[in-house]
Amino acid sequence: DAGVIQSPRHEVTEMGQEVTLRCKPISGHDYLFWYRQTMMRGLELLIYFNNNVPIDDSGMPEDRFSAKMPNASFSTLKIQPSEPRDSAVYFCASSLLGWGSGSGTGELFFGEGSRLTVL
Amino acid sequence: LAKTTQPISMDSYEGQEVNITCSHNNIATNDYITWYQQFPSQGPRFIIQGYKTKVTNEVASLFIPADRKSSTLSLPRVSLSDTAVYYCLVGDSNRDDKIIFGKGTRLHILP
Repeated sequence: DAGVIQSPRHEVTEMGQEVTLRCKPISGHDYLFWYRQTMMRGLELLIYFNNNVPIDDSGMPEDRFSAKMPNASFSTLKIQPSEPRDSAVYFCASSLLGWGSGSGTGELFFGEGSRLTVL
Repeated sequence: LAKTTQPISMDSYEGQEVNITCSHNNIATNDYITWYQQFPSQGPRFIIQGYKTKVTNEVASLFIPADRKSSTLSLPRVSLSDTAVYYCLVGDSNRDDKIIFGKGTRLHILP
């Protein structure tokens, strides 16, 4: 398997523009997570899906952020309008089992990340 | 989610064994302990997971005492390429699937 695939790897945009980040999870994985990482705040969980359904979006910073998972092989994270404080590396990760499955697995596989710079 | 505490940073030298300890006093009965490694400009990578006693794989060992209130990640004979951030995570026995990362331990290996 090719692993979790994210695009674009780098994006530079101007404040106010719409940004769409894309993720293809590992085939067969039922869970998909979106994280954001900055030096100041570390690795933050934004939202996660189980079987394409958003389960917890409490980490989404504000209404400018939205995430969708139309099918098992694709997810998007959209920021509209973007602001300079959104500059960060955005990671997508997938897992076969849930952390709370009680089986002790839930190993996360991360993509290489999308580095977003908003000017 | 069980809160974890680990050192912010550590330095060591090539060839040494490095031990990173994580405290998780509120760990629940069904919680597992998991460690991830993150290299610069990459996403975190699963290293090892355990429930009790000792777990060993090709990368590291994980030592968990009987009370499970702490755990120690042991990296044998480190090299410069082991410079990374190491995260300790403890599962949520409320069957919540959220996976939250703390600040981790920034390990710097010196030549």
